[in-house]
Amino acid sequence: GAGVSQSPSNKVTEKGKDVELRCDPISGHTALYWYRQSLGQGLEFLIYFQGNSAPDKSGLPSDRFSAERTGGSVSTLTIQRTQQEDSAVYLCASSFVAIQETQYFGPGTRLLVL
Amino acid sequence: EDQVTQSPEALRLQEGESSSLNCSYTVSGLRGLFWYRQDPGKGPEFLFTLYSAGEEKEKERLKATLTKKESFLHITAPKPEDSATYLCAVQARDYKLSFGAGTTVTVRA
Repeated sequence: GAGVSQSPSNKVTEKGKDVELRCDPISGHTALYWYRQSLGQGLEFLIYFQGNSAPDKSGLPSDRFSAERTGGSVSTLTIQRTQQEDSAVYLCASSFVAIQETQYFGPGTRLLVL
Repeated sequence: EDQVTQSPEALRLQEGESSSLNCSYTVSGLRGLFWYRQDPGKGPEFLFTLYSAGEEKEKERLKATLTKKESFLHITAPKPEDSATYLCAVQARDYKLSFGAGTTVTVRA
């Protein structure tokens, strides 16, 4: 079956511009996560959605970052006024529920801020 | 704070030369330990989930084991296609995965 899909695959932007990254989770998965993978660093948690509950935004690094999930499916991660330190791979994952369930990852969006 | 440490950072093997990767963790209330494989330019690919000490899982040339403080990923008679970065992650009190930095394995023919 179809896995997690993300778009765009690559994004190059100029410092100060806004970007939107999209994630389409596996059908039927109620939990959706965003992680960031920076060069030389491990994956770090950004935000989590579970069903219709309020999202856990505790991992977002600044108020320039926001995310929404429409209709319990597709999610969009928005970065406003991008900075060079935002350059990284942004990974989306989904699972059936949250605790003890395997998170399946998408291919990621590679963001480069010039 | 949950901590996950993987060693070694890099591992170069000859084809057929078996070895082990280590994942040490410090968490309060482990819910699950996950192993992923990541190829360059791709997202992590799920390999195994381990839930309790003593548990073992196998898949082809890979075998994962779990104790109360660490997990091992054993690679038996590796082939060049096993070259990848192997990531370990733990899930504790909540749903977030805390990842180690990974071990990059290179298998030469």
